[in-house]
Amino acid sequence: QKEVEQNSGPLSVPEGAIASLNCTYSDRGSQSFFWYRQYSGKSPELIMFIYSNGDKEDGRFTAQLNKASQYVSLLIRDSQPSDSATYLCAVNVAGGYNKLIFGAGTRLAVHP
Amino acid sequence: KAGVTQTPRYLIKTRGQQVTLSCSPISGHRSVSWYQQTPGQGLQFLFEYFSETQRNKGNFPGRFSGRQFSNSRSEMNVSTLELGDSALYLCASRYMTSSEETYFGPGTRLTVT
Repeated sequence: QKEVEQNSGPLSVPEGAIASLNCTYSDRGSQSFFWYRQYSGKSPELIMFIYSNGDKEDGRFTAQLNKASQYVSLLIRDSQPSDSATYLCAVNVAGGYNKLIFGAGTRLAVHP
Repeated sequence: KAGVTQTPRYLIKTRGQQVTLSCSPISGHRSVSWYQQTPGQGLQFLFEYFSETQRNKGNFPGRFSGRQFSNSRSEMNVSTLELGDSALYLCASRYMTSSEETYFGPGTRLTVT
């Protein structure tokens, strides 16, 4: 079992719709959780960071964390073509200091 | 506030050579970690430094090494380059603890021929 799992996609949504991206992790002691957006040929850009159970909202983005189910998700409201990218879920493992374990990423395609 | 900077941005090396990559974290950030990104393996953790000490190391051979200076700037070195070392090398910066954001630099694209 991979430590951090994501559907590879592509996830295709129409412009203006809600995109829902999911991630599960295996280390129950994981402490903090990150969503990064990565455009082709570029470095990962931090979108959301969450470490407490529940929802965290920032503009069009909402991260949801459920530690009991070992599940973290990212919702993108009013999706735009510029949101088309690969979304990487990352988990800071327990006792790992600043060590992030990444999922393989989900490709999102927002079509006009 | 300036972001994470990495130099050089692109490198072409020959098998057997060695290379040194540099990273300057966000001002005030004390933790620097390094990652390798390849199409086949994705993003993989190399090592992390905090206050000039390596706190964690990933599953990479000893050819991969790093260090951190007193001003938090970090370097990583790869010796005896192999074709499989061709990758995007990313530096990440964090202030201190695991409950804080981590920001990536633009990366160094290394091509080994």
